[in-house]
Amino acid sequence: AQSVAQPEDQVNVAEGNPPTVKCTYSVSGNPYLFWYVQYPNRGLQFLLKYITGDNLVKGSYGFEAEFNKSQTSFHLKKPSALVSDSALYFCAVSPPGEGNNRLAFGKGNQVVVIP
Amino acid sequence: EADIYQTPRYLVIGTGKKITLECSQTMGHDKMYWYQQDPGMELHLIHYSYGVNSTEKGDLSSESTVSRIRTEHFPLTLESARPSHTSQYLCASSELKADVYGYTFGSGTRLTVV
Repeated sequence: AQSVAQPEDQVNVAEGNPPTVKCTYSVSGNPYLFWYVQYPNRGLQFLLKYITGDNLVKGSYGFEAEFNKSQTSFHLKKPSALVSDSALYFCAVSPPGEGNNRLAFGKGNQVVVIP
Repeated sequence: EADIYQTPRYLVIGTGKKITLECSQTMGHDKMYWYQQDPGMELHLIHYSYGVNSTEKGDLSSESTVSRIRTEHFPLTLESARPSHTSQYLCASSELKADVYGYTFGSGTRLTVV
């Protein structure tokens, strides 16, 4: 079964500095990987995904993530944090193939951008 | 515009009442899901459906029930609400190949049982 680890509960970053939100995964075969963001009192919004191809994936709001197969990681990054980036971030993974596969979500990371 | 809608957004209700949380999507997605989430916390899958007349229990045991009579509609019902049911409930949907396209989430229903 697939699983996702987001080791940090909260990431504090000063505005203008680059935030990194860590994600490692465990899955059989080549994974499909996703990042979602959740603002207060809202549902999750899709940020980006890795299916195949270039290991560096660019997504919404200036975020990007790098797929590292040897380290089984998919860390989320941004060149420069904004206060409005303060939110809860979820990493998700699915093994490819059968249609009955469901996404497995990590526990989420709270990102706090300090003005 | 294709989307997924949850109503109500907020609900405060007394113990013992029966409630139904509504979830509808206009994208024609076959798969739908219900998650329970405490504030700022991880998601727990409580129900899912892969199509009409198909429903399954999720990873977290829940006293709620669901139905899927129409593709676009996936309501969640609590027959007798209790304070322990206080939480945020998120509905999501996906195409058959959820592993490629991911999920689309509704805005959630924040339920408070007093």
